[in-house]
Amino acid sequence: GAVVSQHPSWVICKSGTSVKIECRSLDFQATTMFWYRQFPKQSLMLMATSNEGSKATYEQGVEKDKFLINHASLTLSTLTVTSAHPEDSSFYICSARIGTSGSDTQYFGPGTRLTVL
Amino acid sequence: ELKVEQNPLFLSMQEGKNYTIYCNYSTTSDRLYWYRQDPGKSLESLFVLLSNGAVKQEGRLMASLDTKARLSTLHITAAVHDLSATYFCAVDIWNTGNQFYFGTGTSLTVIP
Repeated sequence: GAVVSQHPSWVICKSGTSVKIECRSLDFQATTMFWYRQFPKQSLMLMATSNEGSKATYEQGVEKDKFLINHASLTLSTLTVTSAHPEDSSFYICSARIGTSGSDTQYFGPGTRLTVL
Repeated sequence: ELKVEQNPLFLSMQEGKNYTIYCNYSTTSDRLYWYRQDPGKSLESLFVLLSNGAVKQEGRLMASLDTKARLSTLHITAAVHDLSATYFCAVDIWNTGNQFYFGTGTSLTVIP
């Protein structure tokens, strides 16, 4: 089956530093990747949608200059949290979709837990 | 504004009992997904419902979709402790680029 990996799985950083999270589709090419964040005991909130080779589309209220998304290939998307602050601490989950058909589901990565001190 | 609401938010039930979780959404969609999330983990796909009247069953879980009522249900039969988790429904809005909008989640605890 389709497998999506994320790296790292867990990261702690100091306030003001930048953190990069990778999302890879291991056995398929993903036309579209999605980034979500999840606060404790809350639902998943879509942050942005990225298509290979084009700029990401950000959801309302998500700062594109703070959360940089690069979808460099059909198997890799990266999310960089720039100048991270404690309020950015969250569980970040990526997902990947194979095609463009309405029946194509999303395959979710294992998530990256970010803690900003 | 699209809303995807689940009911109940928290559920504690004894083993062997039955219960239904409801997922209501506020816009037209004929694609709905159910996921399970264990603490500290990502999402595990449970069901994909792609048409009105779709019903799928796996073990003690059964999901259905009524697109006219904009309602999906997840029915638990004879619950066991291993079903304790948080369950999310998600609606797929085709004309917004296949974005998923997740429900509020239902935290289920099955008591032995």
